[in-house]
Amino acid sequence: AQSVTQLDSQVPVFEEAPVELRCNYSSSVSVYLFWYVQYPNQGLQLLLKYLSGSTLVESINGFEAEFNKSQTSFHLRKPSVHISDTAEYFCAVSQKTSYDKVIFGPGTSLSVIP
Amino acid sequence: EAGVTQFPSHSVIEKGQTVTLRCDPISGHDNLYWYRRVMGKEIKFLLHFVKESKQDESGMPNNRFLAERTGGTYSTLKVQPAELEDSGVYFCASSQERGLSNEQFFGPGTRLTVL
Repeated sequence: AQSVTQLDSQVPVFEEAPVELRCNYSSSVSVYLFWYVQYPNQGLQLLLKYLSGSTLVESINGFEAEFNKSQTSFHLRKPSVHISDTAEYFCAVSQKTSYDKVIFGPGTSLSVIP
Repeated sequence: EAGVTQFPSHSVIEKGQTVTLRCDPISGHDNLYWYRRVMGKEIKFLLHFVKESKQDESGMPNNRFLAERTGGTYSTLKVQPAELEDSGVYFCASSQERGLSNEQFFGPGTRLTVL
């Protein structure tokens, strides 16, 4: 079984400041790792994913996440946030061996303050 | 290419009534998933179709929930009779059978309110 922990339920941050949203997971098998984002009044969108290879993955809008196997973490970072980054962010895992369900963390609500 | 669509976007019903949610996956996607997020809690898996067959329905909460995917295209999720605790957002997702990973594409969700 897999589980995902996001320790911070809410993260307020000033515009143009850096941010890190933490994610830790637990799994007895190899997993894919994802970050999904839900903007206000919208559906879930895939922000970035780690499948294999380079442990640092990047999104098109400046976010990056680093897979750390020893610490079973997949923290999400952005060096300078914008107002438009205000959203709820979900870390998630999915078992590698099959087209399995996605297990979500509880979510972190990022509020960017002007 | 159209994404995953869900209908309705919102539904408000009274306890004891029946509601049917619909999901249209991305064309050609054999895998279809239902998830839901009840208020203040995590997004939880409900079930997984591969074409018209139920691959995994371990997340279905009880027998008031019935999911179908006739013909392996769109899917419906019926709640009968609805209870207060069924309120939440119901998401549908789809993925390809032969993709590089299990990248699931999510719909906008249906917000269900049971009064």
